[in-house]
Amino acid sequence: AQSVTQLGSHVSVSEGALVLLRCNYSSSVPPYLFWYVQYPNQGLQLLLKYTTGATLVKGINGFEAEFKKSETSFHLTKPSAHMSDAAEYFCAVSGDNAGNMLTFGGGTRLMVKP
Amino acid sequence: EAQVTQNPRYLITVTGKKLTVTCSQNMNHEYMSWYRQDPGLGLRQIYYSMNVEVTDKGDVPEGYKVSRKEKRNFPLILESPSPNQTSLYFCASSLLPGLDGYTFGSGTRLTVV
Repeated sequence: AQSVTQLGSHVSVSEGALVLLRCNYSSSVPPYLFWYVQYPNQGLQLLLKYTTGATLVKGINGFEAEFKKSETSFHLTKPSAHMSDAAEYFCAVSGDNAGNMLTFGGGTRLMVKP
Repeated sequence: EAQVTQNPRYLITVTGKKLTVTCSQNMNHEYMSWYRQDPGLGLRQIYYSMNVEVTDKGDVPEGYKVSRKEKRNFPLILESPSPNQTSLYFCASSLLPGLDGYTFGSGTRLTVV
């Protein structure tokens, strides 16, 4: 079985500050990891994903995440927050044998203060 | 435009009145899935389908039915809705979810009174 824990259901940063959203996973097989963003009244949009290869993954809108196997983590970062980054962010892991299950974390709502 | 379309966007219904939420994708994806989103619980999978006529339960299937008669459509059926099914529902599709992730629809906000 696989699971995802997102530390902090709400994170608040000032505009221009570093964004750090935490994600830890458990998986019995090598995981594939995803970050999604959900803007108000919209569906989820894929930000970035890690499958194999380079452990630092760059996504859209200036976000990136680093896969750290030893820490079972896949934290999402952005050097400088923008007001438009305010949204809910979901980390997800897949890794079951059939490859069809995506397990999501509880989500982190990012607030950006002017 | 490649997309997953679900209807309606908003629905208020009464306990026990059967309803169907439709979902259609135009990307020729094999996999389709239904999730519900509740505060603090993230997204939980209700049912998924790997191909036409092949469906299976997710984490929270009780009270829901699905069918996959055509590749592009994957409706979600609530035979006798109850207030605990009040939630935000998402349909999603993928070629291979474990590798590609899912493409999501815009959501259906369901309220059962």
